Amino acid sequence: AQSVTQLDSHVSVSEGTPVLLRCNYSSSYSPSLFWYVQHPNKGLQLLLKYTSAATLVKGINGFEAEFKKSETSFHLTKPSAHMSDAAEYFCVVSPSGTYKYIFGTGTRLKVLA
Amino acid sequence: DAGVTQSPTHLIKTRGQHVTLRCSPISGHKSVSWYQQVLGQGPQFIFQYYEKEERGRGNFPDRFSARQFPNYSSELNVNALLLGDSALYLCASSQGPEADTQYFGPGTRLTVL
Repeated sequence: AQSVTQLDSHVSVSEGTPVLLRCNYSSSYSPSLFWYVQHPNKGLQLLLKYTSAATLVKGINGFEAEFKKSETSFHLTKPSAHMSDAAEYFCVVSPSGTYKYIFGTGTRLKVLA
Repeated sequence: DAGVTQSPTHLIKTRGQHVTLRCSPISGHKSVSWYQQVLGQGPQFIFQYYEKEERGRGNFPDRFSARQFPNYSSELNVNALLLGDSALYLCASSQGPEADTQYFGPGTRLTVL
């Protein structure tokens, strides 16, 4: 069965320091992988998407993620956190040949001044 | 271009009632998916419709049903509401049915009393 695990439910960083949000997936074949962000009272916004091209994917707002097949991981990083990055982040897997998105449980990012 | 739109924004119902939620996809998108997001959790897949046909269904009871219209808009219906149906219902649209980027609407917040 396909699944996605976000290893941290909450992450706190200071403004200007690096961000690391961890995600591991389980899928039978090469999946598509996504990171979405959800700000309070707003809809889900796509940050980036991996679909078997380059393993390092660059997204919006300075975020990037690296697909590591050997580790079945797709961790999200940003070199320097901004206050506006405070939000809920979801890792999503869409197994190859399927139509559904499988969401992780989310990681709430807090950015301290 | 307008994004995915959903109506109503908020809804309050009592147990046993019926509810209809509506979604208009991005122009040119032929696929609509529905998700339920309970407070504090990641969205759970309910349905996907592509070209007016159901392409997939998540693990939800038969009280949940949906349809897609010729203009690709969609309705989600829930009968015999339970307290546990209280959630944010998200609609997402995409161009195709598989492994395609989904764009989410702002959601409908349903409260069942």
